[in-house]
Amino acid sequence: EAGVAQSPRYKIIEKRQSVAFWCNPISGHATLYWYQQILGQGPKLLIQFQNNGVVDDSQLPKDRFSAERLKGVDSTLKIQPAKLEDSAVYLCASSYRGLAGGGRYQETQYFGPGTRLLVL
Amino acid sequence: KQEVTQIPAALSVPEGENLVLNCSFTDSAIYNLQWFRQDPGKGLTSLLLIQSSQREQTSGRLNASLDKSSGRSTLYIAASQPGDSATYLCAVKKGGGSEKLVFGKGTKLTVNP
Repeated sequence: EAGVAQSPRYKIIEKRQSVAFWCNPISGHATLYWYQQILGQGPKLLIQFQNNGVVDDSQLPKDRFSAERLKGVDSTLKIQPAKLEDSAVYLCASSYRGLAGGGRYQETQYFGPGTRLLVL
Repeated sequence: KQEVTQIPAALSVPEGENLVLNCSFTDSAIYNLQWFRQDPGKGLTSLLLIQSSQREQTSGRLNASLDKSSGRSTLYIAASQPGDSATYLCAVKKGGGSEKLVFGKGTKLTVNP
Protein backbone atom coordinates (compact mmCIF):
# COMPACT_ATOMS: atom_id res chain seq x y z
CA GLU A 1 0.00 0.00 0.00
CA ALA A 2 1.42 3.38 -0.99
CA GLY A 3 1.83 5.89 1.81
CA VAL A 4 0.89 9.54 2.04
CA ALA A 5 2.72 11.53 -0.63
CA GLN A 6 3.76 15.16 -0.25
CA SER A 7 5.52 17.62 -2.53
CA PRO A 8 7.73 19.48 -2.66
CA ARG A 9 9.99 18.06 0.06
CA TYR A 10 11.83 21.32 0.55
CA LYS A 11 11.03 24.93 -0.27
CA ILE A 12 12.93 28.16 0.34
CA ILE A 13 11.13 31.46 -0.25
CA GLU A 14 11.46 35.07 0.80
CA LYS A 15 8.99 36.68 3.16
CA ARG A 16 5.85 38.04 1.54
CA GLN A 17 6.07 35.45 -1.26
CA SER A 18 3.44 32.78 -1.78
CA VAL A 19 3.90 29.03 -1.54
CA ALA A 20 1.74 25.94 -2.01
CA PHE A 21 2.09 22.41 -0.74
CA TRP A 22 0.42 19.32 -2.16
CA CYS A 23 -0.70 16.12 -0.45
CA ASN A 24 -2.00 12.85 -1.86
CA PRO A 25 -3.49 10.69 0.91
CA ILE A 26 -3.69 6.93 1.08
CA SER A 27 -6.37 5.64 -1.26
CA GLY A 28 -9.71 5.26 0.48
CA HIS A 29 -8.87 7.45 3.47
CA ALA A 30 -11.72 9.87 4.01
CA THR A 31 -10.00 12.11 6.54
CA LEU A 32 -7.04 14.34 5.75
CA TYR A 33 -5.05 16.56 8.11
CA TRP A 34 -2.49 19.31 7.72
CA TYR A 35 -0.10 19.89 10.63
CA GLN A 36 2.55 22.54 11.21
CA GLN A 37 5.66 21.45 13.12
CA ILE A 38 8.01 24.23 14.16
CA LEU A 39 11.54 23.14 15.05
CA GLY A 40 11.63 21.68 18.57
CA GLN A 41 7.84 21.52 18.86
CA GLY A 42 5.25 18.85 18.37
CA PRO A 43 2.95 19.00 15.33
CA LYS A 44 0.02 21.40 15.59
CA LEU A 45 -3.18 20.70 13.67
CA LEU A 46 -3.97 23.40 11.11
CA ILE A 47 -6.97 21.90 9.35
CA GLN A 48 -8.91 18.64 9.15
CA PHE A 49 -11.01 17.53 6.18
CA GLN A 50 -13.64 14.81 6.11
CA ASN A 51 -13.96 13.98 2.41
CA ASN A 52 -14.02 17.48 0.89
CA GLY A 53 -15.59 19.24 3.88
CA VAL A 54 -13.73 21.10 6.65
CA VAL A 55 -14.17 19.58 10.11
CA ASP A 56 -11.75 21.71 12.14
CA ASP A 57 -9.80 24.78 11.04
CA SER A 58 -9.76 26.54 14.39
CA GLN A 59 -5.96 26.86 14.42
CA LEU A 60 -5.52 27.87 10.79
CA PRO A 61 -4.35 31.52 10.40
CA LYS A 62 -7.02 32.30 7.87
CA ASP A 63 -5.64 35.73 6.97
CA ARG A 64 -2.73 34.07 5.18
CA PHE A 65 -3.32 30.31 5.09
CA SER A 66 -5.86 28.51 2.93
CA ALA A 67 -6.47 24.86 2.14
CA GLU A 68 -8.73 22.90 -0.13
CA ARG A 69 -9.48 19.30 -0.85
CA LEU A 70 -11.16 19.06 -4.20
CA LYS A 71 -13.10 15.88 -4.94
CA GLY A 72 -12.23 14.55 -1.48
CA VAL A 73 -8.83 13.20 -2.50
CA ASP A 74 -5.75 15.41 -2.99
CA SER A 75 -5.28 18.54 -0.94
CA THR A 76 -3.37 21.80 -1.29
CA LEU A 77 -2.22 24.10 1.50
CA LYS A 78 -1.29 27.65 0.53
CA ILE A 79 0.43 30.47 2.39
CA GLN A 80 0.07 33.99 1.02
CA PRO A 81 1.99 36.07 2.00
CA ALA A 82 4.57 34.09 3.97
CA LYS A 83 6.15 35.37 7.18
CA LEU A 84 9.43 34.40 8.83
CA GLU A 85 7.55 32.55 11.58
CA ASP A 86 5.98 30.23 8.99
CA SER A 87 9.30 28.40 8.69
CA ALA A 88 8.40 24.86 9.72
CA VAL A 89 7.72 21.36 8.48
CA TYR A 90 4.21 20.93 7.08
CA LEU A 91 2.93 17.42 7.59
CA CYS A 92 -0.02 15.85 5.85
CA ALA A 93 -1.76 12.83 7.35
CA SER A 94 -4.72 10.70 6.34
CA SER A 95 -6.83 8.23 8.23
CA TYR A 96 -9.76 5.87 8.09
CA ARG A 97 -11.94 4.54 10.86
CA GLY A 98 -11.99 0.79 11.31
CA LEU A 99 -13.14 -1.72 13.88
CA ALA A 100 -10.58 -2.58 16.53
CA GLY A 101 -10.79 -5.33 19.13
CA GLY A 102 -13.89 -5.39 21.30
CA GLY A 103 -16.11 -3.82 18.67
CA ARG A 104 -14.68 -0.35 19.26
CA TYR A 105 -13.85 1.93 16.36
CA GLN A 106 -10.25 3.03 16.04
CA GLU A 107 -8.76 5.63 13.78
CA THR A 108 -5.07 5.58 12.86
CA GLN A 109 -3.38 8.53 11.22
CA TYR A 110 -0.69 7.86 8.64
CA PHE A 111 1.77 10.69 8.07
CA GLY A 112 3.60 11.79 4.96
CA PRO A 113 7.30 12.78 4.98
CA GLY A 114 6.48 16.47 5.23
CA THR A 115 7.50 19.62 3.37
CA ARG A 116 10.26 21.63 5.02
CA LEU A 117 9.67 25.37 4.45
CA LEU A 118 12.27 28.04 5.09
CA VAL A 119 11.17 31.67 4.86
CA LEU A 120 14.05 34.16 4.53
CA LYS B 1 -7.13 23.53 26.93
CA GLN B 2 -5.25 20.24 26.71
CA GLU B 3 -1.48 20.48 27.20
CA VAL B 4 0.93 17.61 26.75
CA THR B 5 4.38 17.63 28.34
CA GLN B 6 7.21 15.21 27.67
CA ILE B 7 10.18 14.69 29.94
CA PRO B 8 13.08 14.57 29.33
CA ALA B 9 13.51 16.68 26.20
CA ALA B 10 16.59 14.68 25.29
CA LEU B 11 18.11 11.43 26.49
CA SER B 12 21.38 9.69 25.63
CA VAL B 13 21.97 6.10 26.71
CA PRO B 14 24.43 3.29 25.93
CA GLU B 15 23.25 0.40 23.79
CA GLY B 16 21.47 -2.35 25.70
CA GLU B 17 20.06 -0.13 28.42
CA ASN B 18 16.37 -0.17 29.34
CA LEU B 19 14.77 3.28 29.38
CA VAL B 20 11.55 5.11 30.14
CA LEU B 21 10.10 8.14 28.40
CA ASN B 22 7.44 10.16 30.19
CA CYS B 23 4.34 11.97 28.98
CA SER B 24 1.82 13.94 31.01
CA PHE B 25 -1.42 15.63 29.99
CA THR B 26 -3.59 18.16 31.79
CA ASP B 27 -7.11 17.04 30.82
CA SER B 28 -7.88 13.43 31.72
CA ALA B 29 -10.95 13.33 29.44
CA ILE B 30 -9.14 11.66 26.58
CA TYR B 31 -10.29 9.09 24.04
CA ASN B 32 -6.87 7.54 23.54
CA LEU B 33 -3.14 8.20 23.75
CA GLN B 34 -0.63 7.43 21.06
CA TRP B 35 3.15 7.20 20.91
CA PHE B 36 4.87 8.11 17.65
CA ARG B 37 8.42 7.89 16.39
CA GLN B 38 9.90 10.61 14.15
CA ASP B 39 13.17 10.15 12.28
CA PRO B 40 15.02 13.21 10.91
CA GLY B 41 13.50 14.44 7.67
CA LYS B 42 10.67 11.95 7.85
CA GLY B 43 7.09 11.85 8.95
CA LEU B 44 5.66 10.26 12.05
CA THR B 45 5.23 6.53 12.55
CA SER B 46 2.68 5.26 15.04
CA LEU B 47 4.20 2.90 17.61
CA LEU B 48 1.48 2.18 20.13
CA LEU B 49 -2.07 3.34 20.73
CA ILE B 50 -3.74 2.96 24.13
CA GLN B 51 -7.50 3.40 24.44
CA SER B 52 -8.74 5.32 27.46
CA SER B 53 -10.11 2.10 28.97
CA GLN B 54 -6.77 0.28 28.67
CA ARG B 55 -3.80 0.31 31.01
CA GLU B 56 -1.02 -0.72 28.64
CA GLN B 57 -0.05 -1.89 25.18
CA THR B 58 2.99 -3.86 24.09
CA SER B 59 4.75 -4.27 20.78
CA GLY B 60 8.05 -6.12 20.71
CA ARG B 61 10.52 -4.30 22.94
CA LEU B 62 8.10 -1.41 23.50
CA ASN B 63 5.58 -1.15 26.31
CA ALA B 64 3.33 1.86 26.85
CA SER B 65 1.27 2.41 29.97
CA LEU B 66 -1.56 4.80 30.68
CA ASP B 67 -2.83 6.19 33.98
CA LYS B 68 -5.67 8.39 32.86
CA SER B 69 -6.67 9.58 36.31
CA SER B 70 -3.23 11.01 36.99
CA GLY B 71 -2.73 12.20 33.42
CA ARG B 72 0.41 10.18 32.77
CA SER B 73 1.82 7.73 30.27
CA THR B 74 5.18 6.07 29.98
CA LEU B 75 6.94 4.43 27.06
CA TYR B 76 9.34 1.70 28.12
CA ILE B 77 12.00 0.57 25.67
CA ALA B 78 13.82 -2.62 26.56
CA ALA B 79 17.35 -3.47 25.47
CA SER B 80 17.80 -0.28 23.47
CA GLN B 81 19.59 -0.36 20.11
CA PRO B 82 21.25 2.37 18.01
CA GLY B 83 18.36 2.00 15.56
CA ASP B 84 16.01 3.24 18.28
CA SER B 85 17.60 6.69 18.00
CA ALA B 86 14.81 9.08 17.02
CA THR B 87 12.41 11.61 18.50
CA TYR B 88 9.47 10.06 20.34
CA LEU B 89 6.23 12.01 20.45
CA CYS B 90 3.22 11.48 22.67
CA ALA B 91 -0.22 12.60 21.49
CA VAL B 92 -3.67 12.51 23.07
CA LYS B 93 -7.02 12.48 21.33
CA LYS B 94 -9.88 14.31 22.94
CA GLY B 95 -13.14 12.50 23.45
CA GLY B 96 -16.53 13.60 22.22
CA GLY B 97 -16.04 12.70 18.59
CA SER B 98 -13.12 15.02 17.90
CA GLU B 99 -10.29 13.41 15.96
CA LYS B 100 -7.84 16.16 16.89
CA LEU B 101 -4.48 15.03 18.26
CA VAL B 102 -2.60 17.23 20.74
CA PHE B 103 1.13 16.51 20.69
CA GLY B 104 3.92 16.99 23.18
CA LYS B 105 7.24 18.45 22.08
CA GLY B 106 8.90 15.06 22.04
CA THR B 107 11.91 13.36 23.59
CA LYS B 108 15.01 13.07 21.41
CA LEU B 109 16.62 9.70 22.13
CA THR B 110 20.19 8.82 21.20
CA VAL B 111 21.39 5.25 21.73
CA ASN B 112 25.16 5.04 21.57
CA PRO B 113 26.85 1.87 20.27
